[in-house]
Formats: sequence, C-alpha cells, structure tokens
Amino acid sequence: DQQVKQNSPSLSVQEGRISILNCDYTNSMFDYFLWYKKYPAEGPTFLISISSIKDKNEDGRFTVFLNKSAKHLSLHIVPSQPGDSAVYFCAASAMNRDDKIIFGKGTRLHILP
Amino acid sequence: ETGVTQSPTHLIKTRGQQVTLRCSSQSGHNTVSWYQQALGQGPQFIFQYYREEENGRGNFPPRFSGLQFPNYSSELNVNALELDDSALYLCASSPPLTYNEQFFGPGTRLTVL
Repeated sequence: DQQVKQNSPSLSVQEGRISILNCDYTNSMFDYFLWYKKYPAEGPTFLISISSIKDKNEDGRFTVFLNKSAKHLSLHIVPSQPGDSAVYFCAASAMNRDDKIIFGKGTRLHILP
Repeated sequence: ETGVTQSPTHLIKTRGQQVTLRCSSQSGHNTVSWYQQALGQGPQFIFQYYREEENGRGNFPPRFSGLQFPNYSSELNVNALELDDSALYLCASSPPLTYNEQFFGPGTRLTVL
C-alpha cells in the first residue's frame, strides 16, 4: 500500500517556465513533508520541507504548497533552470509517532532549452 | 566538512551469500538511517540507528541487520541474499534533534546474481 504517491513518472518543462510537481498521501498521521532532489550517481539532497501547521513554505525559486483536506502537496519551481533536471522525491513522516520517512516513487523533471 | 560516505560503490554477489555495506555519517550527526531503492522506486526505509541502538525499523526481514559504532558510522548486513535484494542502498545521517532533514550518501549499488 503506497502511502505517498507521485502519479507523474516524468515531466518536461520549458526553461524559464514554472515546474509543478504533485504528490498525494493517504496517511492522515503524516505531519511533516519533504521534497528531495536526486541527480544520477548521487544520493538524494534535501530541497524544502513543510509542517502540517502551514500551507505554504517558500525558499528562493522553490515553493511547497500543502492542502491537508485533499492530502495533497505540490512543489513549484519558478523559473525552471537546466540544473533543475533531476528526479524529485516527495516524502512524508509522522513526527509525533516516529521518525520514519516514507518516500514516493519520484518524478523525473526534464527542463527543455 | 565531510559529507556522508558509503563503501563500496558497487558490489556483485550471488544468491545465498552475505554482504556488509558501510557508511560514515556526516560530522556531528548521531543518527543513521538505511534505505533500499529498487529500480523505478523511491527509497524504502530499512532501519535507523541512534546512539548505537536500532531506533525504528521498516518492513524488512530479520536477515537485514545493522550496527552503529561509537563514532556514529554504521554497517548494513544482509544474509542469505536473494535476487530481489538487488538495489541501491542509501545511508542517510541526521544531526541531533533534527530527525527529518537527512543527508544522504551516494549509495552502494548491489547486484545479486
């Protein structure tokens, strides 16, 4: 049973435009959400996170939106740059239960010139 | 500051053998988590070590075991290897009291023939 779902395996976006990566979760106990970025032959690197007490968190070109009622979050990248081409993982944890982080399958983002 | 390192980079074993993977955590980090990432999947939590003791475990059989040493480095041991154990094994460390922002190593690619 997949608790964190990234339904788009890949996404292509023109350089300079907005990239929107989506993520859905099923476990209502999740209260902390993270996005990781992964280049080939490297481990995932932490990008941005959001606590369930917020609905938006912004860090430079990256913004994460959380809709708790829909159990949905999204990562917006504006403007998209060539270096953003990577696999993006959505992840979630229940901080009040344990520290286990559950990852989605990832979305491969291609930034087109 | 040295990041998380893992050894070896690649490994080929045959079914039934045993394997040990190693991880050195980032300086100052006292918590180490291990993940298995199969092809096309997101990282799956195996277990976490904190102060040399297992602190949470995912849905993996007992033939997956680990150790954490006083310097916070860690080992993942897998006995009786199966073909499905072929995957990228990721180690992640986190600083004290920052459970969810994990810093990943580049991983060990294990192939079981």
